[in-house]
Amino acid sequence: DIQMTQSPSSLSASVGDRVTISCRASQGISNSLAWYQQKPGKAPNLLLYTAFKLEGGVPSRFSGSGSGTDYTLTISSLQPEDFATYYCQQYYSTPYTFGQGTKLEI
Amino acid sequence: EVQLLESGGGLVQPGGSLRLSCGASGFIFHSYAMSWVRQTPGKGLEWVSEISSGGGRTFYADSVKGRFTIARDNSKDTVYLEMNRLRDEDTAIYYCTYGSVYAGSHDYWGQGTLVTVSS
Repeated sequence: DIQMTQSPSSLSASVGDRVTISCRASQGISNSLAWYQQKPGKAPNLLLYTAFKLEGGVPSRFSGSGSGTDYTLTISSLQPEDFATYYCQQYYSTPYTFGQGTKLEI
Repeated sequence: EVQLLESGGGLVQPGGSLRLSCGASGFIFHSYAMSWVRQTPGKGLEWVSEISSGGGRTFYADSVKGRFTIARDNSKDTVYLEMNRLRDEDTAIYYCTYGSVYAGSHDYWGQGTLVTVSS
């Protein structure tokens, strides 16, 4: 199984900050990586897929990069609605696996 | 508008069984693979199972293999998760999901149904 290691597990930031969240796969996943945002009591919401493609309706302040085993989610200028938990997930092969999550706090 | 509506969750004793259902609408159901993803209260996400569009191929997480069975009825636009020999650690919110571009990239999620395994 492919293990996904996400860092940091929590992050404190302020409105307007630029933040990055990292995700490392235990083997190459050929950009088969998705990023999700989850708010309390809600289902996860897909932000990006194929490592860098923005899902429809997602603000352009979200971006993704990386290749091989190492990937990054960047939020260019934090907005109040961005404080949530973020997960990466590989879909290169089953079992699909998620990172442990990054809680972004004010 | 895509809608995924899960049902069937509830309280069950360890060793018991439960069947979850997910009714789909708003897209061509028989054209897409469907998945179940679960989330332990206060914890992270775990992919559970996937079934191909025609139902001929199924995939499972190691933690549920041999105990859970995914199935679909394309005439009813419904996917099921039959859960047997339930354990305490199966307690979670179970989400029905699918990916409109890639099967494993879940852009649509249901609201979730809570399964509690406890004596």
